[in-house]
Amino acid sequence: QQQVKQSPQSLIVQKGGISIINCAYENTAFDYFPWYQQFPGKGPALLIAIRPDVSEKKEGRFTISFNKSAKQFSLHIMDSQPGDSATYFCAPTGSSNTGKLIFGQGTTLQVKP
Amino acid sequence: KAGVTQTPRYLIKTRGQQVTLSCSPISGHRSVSWYQQTPGQGLQFLFEYFSETQRNKGNFPGRFSGRQFSNSRSEMNVSTLELGDSALYLCASSLEGRGEIGELFFGEGSRLTVL
Repeated sequence: QQQVKQSPQSLIVQKGGISIINCAYENTAFDYFPWYQQFPGKGPALLIAIRPDVSEKKEGRFTISFNKSAKQFSLHIMDSQPGDSATYFCAPTGSSNTGKLIFGQGTTLQVKP
Repeated sequence: KAGVTQTPRYLIKTRGQQVTLSCSPISGHRSVSWYQQTPGQGLQFLFEYFSETQRNKGNFPGRFSGRQFSNSRSEMNVSTLELGDSALYLCASSLEGRGEIGELFFGEGSRLTVL
């Protein structure tokens, strides 16, 4: 059940650069599109999320861009910092499945100093 | 405010044994979900409980079961352990009820090793 495809699998970015991670989904019933961040030894934590009534949401250095027609959404990390080095997961879901997230495969981001 | 607490954090079992993992959600949160994380399969949904009722279930065999108590604390049980059950088991809680989407708060997980 490959409902969610995340790319790239890994990403290396220089400090100050832009990190871009993409997520494609199939289920048109999804109406909540979050990105979770996970550090080693920790559980995932919500980073930023968007609902389909807007095409972009920005919180500090983190931006979600949402393309409903293409069934894709992406995470942009501006001015990437070494502290951003972590694994990122997209996890879209629908209103009828509040606790059930379909996680992407994850993207391991390494930001080099 | 205390976060999601999972116990035990680490455990080692042998094939054929059973294991029970515990999760205490954030105070006031009524929904508890369980996920299995492995390097090969990633994060996979096991089940979700809300007000002591299983509301959603993932595609795992019947050896995987769970329950939720009246204080929202939850347990999951895996019987007849197999080597492939070695994983990080994550519990997540949320404040919202049915039809309300929101943030899941994850614990640090219970790392199970099956020998």
